[in-house]
Amino acid sequence: GAGVSQSPSNKVTEKGKDVELRCDPISGHTALYWYRQSLGQGLEFLIYFQGNSAPDKSGLPSDRFSAERTGGSVSTLTIQRTQQEDSAVYLCASSLGAGAANYGYTFGSGTRLTVV
Amino acid sequence: KNEVEQSPQNLTAQEGEFITINCSYSVGISALHWLQQHPGGGIVSLFMLSSGKKKHGRLIATINIQEKHSSLHITASHPRDSAVYICAATNNDMRFGAGTRLTVKP
Repeated sequence: GAGVSQSPSNKVTEKGKDVELRCDPISGHTALYWYRQSLGQGLEFLIYFQGNSAPDKSGLPSDRFSAERTGGSVSTLTIQRTQQEDSAVYLCASSLGAGAANYGYTFGSGTRLTVV
Repeated sequence: KNEVEQSPQNLTAQEGEFITINCSYSVGISALHWLQQHPGGGIVSLFMLSSGKKKHGRLIATINIQEKHSSLHITASHPRDSAVYICAATNNDMRFGAGTRLTVKP
């Protein structure tokens, strides 16, 4: 597609349930990033995929969070046993490459997750 | 200490004023990004720069690699410039500043 697509745009879930958030990057973009922004807070890095390399999971806040990227394209961020502090906007971005100054990033419009 | 520091945290200006937002970083980078986040939450990438200066319309971004400092300038500011401006230092991932909330009053 023309941009980075995220779904759902909004998700309300009960505490303790699992949720899956989807990101469809721009075709051909090898780098994919997940971030989150809690209410009133700045952006927080979660995980980064680059091509076929092992993902950089250093930003995941707990082992309840996991992400995968199938076929080097679509990515799914899974949060197990959701807690209220998981409520945030989850943003995905993709880039043609990584670690190089010439690549720009395109952000999706985000998934607003509310855990009640 | 945060790896990316922005100042000011909040900025209110009158329409037409010249705006400067500053960003200092302590990490090694391949590029420095300036992002704009509107009240609806959408994020737009304004600039990506690794040296010197870039200009787009009324926006100018500069970076000094030696001093690890970047500035975003807005000339002839307008109420539609009101947004949160975020500085992000990138290598393989992105490290974000806390953002500067700009309000431009008519």
